[in-house]
Amino acid sequence: AIQMTQSPSSLSASVGDRVTITCRASQDIRNNLGWYQQKPGKAPKLLIYATSSLQSGVPSRFSGSGSGTDFTLTISGLQPEDLATYYCLQDYNYPRTFGQGTKVEIK
Amino acid sequence: EQLVESGGGFVQPGGSLRLSCEASGFTFSSYSMSWVRQPPGKGVEWVSYISGSSTTIYYADSVQGRFTISRDNAKNSVYLQVNSLRDEDTAVYYCVRGNWFDPWGQGTLVTVSS
Repeated sequence: AIQMTQSPSSLSASVGDRVTITCRASQDIRNNLGWYQQKPGKAPKLLIYATSSLQSGVPSRFSGSGSGTDFTLTISGLQPEDLATYYCLQDYNYPRTFGQGTKVEIK
Repeated sequence: EQLVESGGGFVQPGGSLRLSCEASGFTFSSYSMSWVRQPPGKGVEWVSYISGSSTTIYYADSVQGRFTISRDNAKNSVYLQVNSLRDEDTAVYYCVRGNWFDPWGQGTLVTVSS
């Protein structure tokens, strides 16, 4: 199974900051990566698919980049409502595998 | 587009449950479906996949031989039969649509404890 390693596991940032979360795959997954946001007490929600395509309705401050084994989720201008845990997911093959999550806190 | 899970509950180790997920707002038979679970306070784990026509099915190693996924396109529903339950199967179980797991249902909690 492909291992997905996220970093950092948690971070604290101020409103307006630029936040970067990385995800590394244990093998080449091309651009088959998605990012999910899980707010406290809620189900995860798709933010970005195919590395950089923004899901409908997701604010444009969220963006994704990368290819192969290294991927990045960027929040340009952190907002209070971005308090959440973020997960990456590889869509390259089965078993599907998620990263362990990055908890984003607001200073 | 909505997914609504049901069927969770409290069960002793070795017990069984049948989880259900009813879909609405989209052409159900056109999409693959998966089950994903999340133990309390922990990360997310993919559990099982079924194609739109039920011809392709996959399971995580952790549930292979104990869980069975199925679907009824006439009822817009996907199911997960969970047998031989273990403590470590305690989790919220979500159904999700398609390759990109969107949308998610609200989840149904399965608690395995003696």
